[in-house]
Amino acid sequence: DAGVIQSPRHEVTEMGQEVTLRCKPISGHNSLFWYRQTMMRGLELLIYFNNNVPIDDSGMPEDRFSAKMPNASFSTLKIQPSEPRDSAVYFCASGPTGGYETEAFFGQGTRLTVV
Amino acid sequence: GENVEQHPSTLSVQEGDSAVIKCTYSDSASNYFPWYKQELGKRPQLIIDIRSNVGEKKDQRIAVTLNKTAKHFSLHITETQPEDSAVYFCAAGGFKTIFGAGTRLFVKA
Repeated sequence: DAGVIQSPRHEVTEMGQEVTLRCKPISGHNSLFWYRQTMMRGLELLIYFNNNVPIDDSGMPEDRFSAKMPNASFSTLKIQPSEPRDSAVYFCASGPTGGYETEAFFGQGTRLTVV
Repeated sequence: GENVEQHPSTLSVQEGDSAVIKCTYSDSASNYFPWYKQELGKRPQLIIDIRSNVGEKKDQRIAVTLNKTAKHFSLHITETQPEDSAVYFCAAGGFKTIFGAGTRLFVKA
C-alpha cells in the first residue's frame, strides 16, 4: 500500500481564492482525520470521519472551512475564501479502526501558503 | 477543555545519553497514548504507543511509562543516536485525540 496520499504537496494562492486539498486514505481504514500544523498552534485536529461520516468537526476554525468524504477512498478539505492566516501544513491521516484510540497514519501533508 | 502538556519544548543531549520527555493530560477518559516522531519536513510517524491497561512498554531503545492516576506519561530513549534528532509529539486519545506541543530533540555527535 502506498500509504495516505495527499495532493497537492504545495499550494500557493492569493487571499480570497478557494483552495481544495485532497486525500486518499489507506484502503480498508475506517477513520480519516484532517490536521493543521503551525509553529504557533502545533498539531490541531480539524475534523474526524468514521466510515465516511463526519463525527467531530469541532476543530474546524470557521465557516470558511469545509470537509467532505464522498466515499471510503477520497476526502477533501476546502477553504473558501482563503486568508493569509490559513497558511500551514495540512495533514490527512487515516486509522484502521473507528474512534480516537487508534494509530493515525499520516500523509505527506500539503504546505499551503496564502499571500 | 481537554489539554495535553508536554515538556521540555527543546532537549539537547550528547550521543549515547538518555532522553526523557514528559506529558500530562487532563481528560480522564483518555485510554490511548501514542508517541509520534516527526523529522524535518516529513510527516509524523508513530514510534510507540501504550494503552491504559498497561503501565510500561518497551521497544528496543525506546520505552513509555504511564501513570493513569496522576495522568502523566513519559517517553524514554536510551543510547541516543544522531538519527533520533527530530520533533516528538505525545498524544492522548479517548473522546478525541489531543496532541502535545512537541519536543525538539537534538542529539549531538
